[in-house]
This record gives sequence, structure tokens and C-alpha cells, in this order.
Amino acid sequence: AQSVTQLGSHVSVSEGALVLLRCNYSSSVPPYLFWYVQYPNQGLQLLLKYTTGATLVKGINGFEAEFKKSETSFHLTKPSAHMSDAAEYFCAVSPLELTGGYNKLIFGAGTRLAVHP
Amino acid sequence: NAGVTQTPKFRVLKTGQSMTLLCAQDMNHEYMYWYRQDPGMGLRLIHYSVGEGTTAKGEVPDGYNVSRLKKQNFLLGLESAAPSQTSVYFCASSYRSLSGNTIYFGEGSWLTVV
Repeated sequence: AQSVTQLGSHVSVSEGALVLLRCNYSSSVPPYLFWYVQYPNQGLQLLLKYTTGATLVKGINGFEAEFKKSETSFHLTKPSAHMSDAAEYFCAVSPLELTGGYNKLIFGAGTRLAVHP
Repeated sequence: NAGVTQTPKFRVLKTGQSMTLLCAQDMNHEYMYWYRQDPGMGLRLIHYSVGEGTTAKGEVPDGYNVSRLKKQNFLLGLESAAPSQTSVYFCASSYRSLSGNTIYFGEGSWLTVV
């Protein structure tokens, strides 16, 4: 069964510093990969996703993620953190094949990002 | 741009009470989902629907029922609420197509069962 591991439930960075949120998946076949962001008391918003093509994916708000098949990873980065980036970030995977007749999405446990001045 | 709308946003229930969470989407999506979010566990799928009049169990369906009488609406019911159902509930929807479609989420419903 596929699973998603997000290393670090809490990450704290200084404003202007690099943001690196780690995500590894377990699957014999590389799945589709997603990053969602959840701001306090709000729903989940898609940051970016990888389906096919270029392995470096750019998303909203200056975030990007790189799919590395050899490392089964899809880490999320942003060169310079902003206070408004403070939120919870979820990595998720979706199998290549339609499973059970629906778009199955398997979430990691989430990483809460804190940005301090 | 309404997208996915959930009501109510907050609710406190007593153990044994029943309630229904309402979800509406205006994107003409075929697929709809109900997830629950608990600390340290990410989101887990409760029930889903691949079309009007059809529903199916997800990962954690016990204690919940759903109905999809209209394409745009997906209702989640708790017949006899239990403290273990204290959680944040998210409705979501997506197009019917190949896997990899973006799933769009509502803003969540905070439910406390005392």
C-alpha cells in the first residue's frame, strides 16, 4: 500500500531563510504527487502538483518541488521565507491508475511551518 | 468564486445527538469526498461519491452516512455522535477523469462532541 512520510511535524525558519519541507513516498510505481497548504482555520489549497514532464515543479507563492524518482522524494522548497508562509503543509500522493473508481489521495501527517522575524 | 462550500462551520454536539453537514460545489464536478482531519494524522477519507445517487465507503466510514441526491450536493450525517468524532471535516470535489486530477477542498467544519 502506498504511504507518505513527511519528515518533521514542525519546522521553524527565520524570515528570509530557505524553506525545506521533506516528503517521501513509498510506491513501486511513482504516483502523482501534490503539495497542499492549509492556513489557520481554512481549507486546503493546492500549492503544486507533479503528474508528468519536468521533474521540477513551480507552484504558487514562490514554492517549488522536485520529483526525484531515485530517492522517492518530493521535497518542497522556497528560497526566502515570508511571514505569510506560516501554515501547515501536506504532501499527498495519488496512484497512477484510478483506484476504486475515484481519485484516491493519500496524505502525509503534515508539517507545520513557523516563520519568525 | 464559491467553489466548495460547507455548512455549518462550527458545531458543538452532545454525545448521542445527530447532525448533518452540508456540502455544495459549483464546479460541476462528478466526484465528491468527505475527509476528516485529526492532529498528526493528515486527512482521512470517510466516504466518497463518483456521481449523483452513488456513494461508497472510504478509509474511516464507521459512524457516518452520506447521500448525494443532487450532483452539486454531498451530505455527511452523524446518526449518534461520539466524542471520537470530534474533528475537522472537509468536503472536497474533483472532475471525473484519469487519476491525478486536482481535488478542491472546502474551508472545513469544526465539530466538537461533548
